[in-house]
Amino acid sequence: RKEVEQDPGPFNVPEGATVAFNCTYSNSASQSFFWYRQDCRKEPKLLMSVYSSGNEDGRFTAQLNRASQYISLLIRDSKLSDSATYLCAVNSGGTYKYIFGTGTRLKVLA
Amino acid sequence: NAGVTQTPKFQVLKTGQSMTLQCAQDMNHNSMYWYRQDPGMGLRLIYYSASEGTTDKGEVPNGYNVSRLNKREFSLRLESAAPSQTSVYFCASSRSTGGTEAFFGQGTRLTVV
Repeated sequence: RKEVEQDPGPFNVPEGATVAFNCTYSNSASQSFFWYRQDCRKEPKLLMSVYSSGNEDGRFTAQLNRASQYISLLIRDSKLSDSATYLCAVNSGGTYKYIFGTGTRLKVLA
Repeated sequence: NAGVTQTPKFQVLKTGQSMTLQCAQDMNHNSMYWYRQDPGMGLRLIYYSASEGTTDKGEVPNGYNVSRLNKREFSLRLESAAPSQTSVYFCASSRSTGGTEAFFGQGTRLTVV
C-alpha cells in the first residue's frame, strides 16, 4: 500500500459546482498535511495547509480526519481557472520528509 | 521574489553523460529537497538536506548524488545518466523539515537518450 493515496480522477465538473477530493495516508504518526495545486508542466504551488481544526480560504476548505487517516479538500463554486491537478502532501511522521500523493486531476467545464 | 531557482530548465543528455542540476533559494530556508516527477508516479523524493551540512537519502536515491554547498544552494548530480532518469526534477525548500510548507522551483525537464 502506498503511504499517501489519491484518486487520480479526472473529476469533470461544471462551473459553479462543488467538488471534494480525499487523500488517505497510512502512517498514523504523520503530523503535517498540505494541499498543493499543479498546473500542466508547472511546479506544484502551495494551496493551503491542513490543520487539525480544519482550514478555510475563500472557496477552499481543507479538513483532517485523524481517526480515518485522510485529509480532504472541498472547492465550492468551481471556476474554469480551478482546472489543475491537486496534490496532497504528508509529513512522514518521525522523519523529515514530505510524501506526495500522485494527484487528482480536476477539469471544470463551461 | 525569486524564491527557488533551478538551472537548467531543459536538458538532453546521452546515456553515460554526467551533469549537475543547480538549485538556489533566497528565503533563508534551512531544508532543501530534490524530487523527480514521472507520469502516474507522483513526486518522489530523491535526497533531502535537513540543514546546511547534512544530506539524507529519500525514496529513490540510486544513480544520484547531492551537495549542500551552503545554506542557499543544493545541487543534484547524475554521474552516468540512464534513460530511466528521464524525468522532471523539482527542487524545493522549507523553513524547517516536515512541519512547514515547502516551496518549489520551476523544474528541470531532463531527457536521457
